[in-house]
Amino acid sequence: EAQVTQNPRYLITVTGKKLTVTCSQNMNHEYMSWYRQDPGLGLRQIYYSMNVEVTDKGDVPEGYKVSRKEKRNFPLILESPSPNQTSLYFCASSLWRGGAMNQPQHFGDGTRLSIL
Amino acid sequence: ELKVEQNPLFLSMQEGKNYTIYCNYSTTSDRLYWYRQDPGKSLESLFVLLSNGAVKQEGRLMASLDTKARLSTLHITAAVHDLSATYFCAVDIGSQGNLIFGKGTKLSVKP
Repeated sequence: EAQVTQNPRYLITVTGKKLTVTCSQNMNHEYMSWYRQDPGLGLRQIYYSMNVEVTDKGDVPEGYKVSRKEKRNFPLILESPSPNQTSLYFCASSLWRGGAMNQPQHFGDGTRLSIL
Repeated sequence: ELKVEQNPLFLSMQEGKNYTIYCNYSTTSDRLYWYRQDPGKSLESLFVLLSNGAVKQEGRLMASLDTKARLSTLHITAAVHDLSATYFCAVDIGSQGNLIFGKGTKLSVKP
């Protein structure tokens, strides 16, 4: 089954304790992206990647890191989490062909992070 | 700064009625996407619009893109309760995969 898998689904942690949210896709997609969703602010893109070793900043990259060492994985790293990073996070992937994301994005189920 | 504005943000409709959700954006782009999100769920891709004049239809939903007017519309025909959800548009800045989302339109279809 084609899917984007995020782990963990829920996490409560404390300020300053490094954490990683993993994202893996099994569709051989070039494009992967991280978003956060906050009430009243909608979805905002954090980082995206158009292929292995190619990443770029989205709208709200501060406080986050990503890596794309393999095509299927795109982990989101919070080196020193702070309460303002409490949010619902989504990973997504898609084909990237001819210079465009011309296919629908597939989204993971989301990760709810609470940072105390 | 790129802005993506959806109107309305809240929409209460009766079943059987037609309505249109608007997505305006403030910079040049010819890549626009529509998504649906049910409460407590992830997002589902609805439409991919890649050129001026693009029109896509799926069931009771039809999306169009006018890149000159920087406007996309999502038209709902004969609404049914199952269409109740939040709908987002997203614009790809510079066609590089950098997406900016609208704040979403929460649609409620009542019998």
